[in-house]
Amino acid sequence: AQSVTQLGSHVSVSEGALVLLRCNYSSSVPPYLFWYVQYPNQGLQLLLKYTSAATLVKGINGFEAEFKKSETSFHLTKPSAHMSDAAEYFCAVSNTGFQKLVFGTGTRLLVSP
Amino acid sequence: GAVVSQHPSRVICKSGTSVKIECRSLDFQATTMFWYRQFPKKSLMLMATSNEGSKATYEQGVEKDKFLINHASLTLSTLTVTSAHPEDSSFYICSAPLARGTSYEQYFGPGTRLTVT
Repeated sequence: AQSVTQLGSHVSVSEGALVLLRCNYSSSVPPYLFWYVQYPNQGLQLLLKYTSAATLVKGINGFEAEFKKSETSFHLTKPSAHMSDAAEYFCAVSNTGFQKLVFGTGTRLLVSP
Repeated sequence: GAVVSQHPSRVICKSGTSVKIECRSLDFQATTMFWYRQFPKKSLMLMATSNEGSKATYEQGVEKDKFLINHASLTLSTLTVTSAHPEDSSFYICSAPLARGTSYEQYFGPGTRLTVT
């Protein structure tokens, strides 16, 4: 069975500060890993994905994540937070990307001026 | 890019009635779609996998007779909440996978907010 743990239900940063959202996974097979962002009352938008190619993955809006097999982690980072980054972020794991996604509990990112 | 739509975006219904939610892949075909439920300030929980031309596969604990899923065509899946009760109030989101290079990506609909009074 696959699972995802997101540490910290809320993360607060100042505008311009580094953003770090943590995600650890458990999978018995090589995982496909994803980060999604959700704005209030909206669906999910894919930020980036890891599919066994490069371990450092760059996504949209300046976000990137690094797959570390030894740490079973896939943390999301952004060098400089913007007010528009305030949203809910979900880490998810899948066997292939075609199959169902297993989501973490989400992390709400708060950005203050 | 790939687009998945949902209709309606919001619906309010009375307890005991049924409500149908549509999920459409607008510019690609999807033999499989997924239905998720999201409680307030909670993560997304998979309810069922919708398969075109065959029965849906439900996750453990999801009532098949309450949440009816029909995948009528390669671009349309519907979720019908039958005899709705206030505890069915939630945000329902669908997704459809699309091949991208050597892998797939899930494209999500904008969600449907169901309120049962």
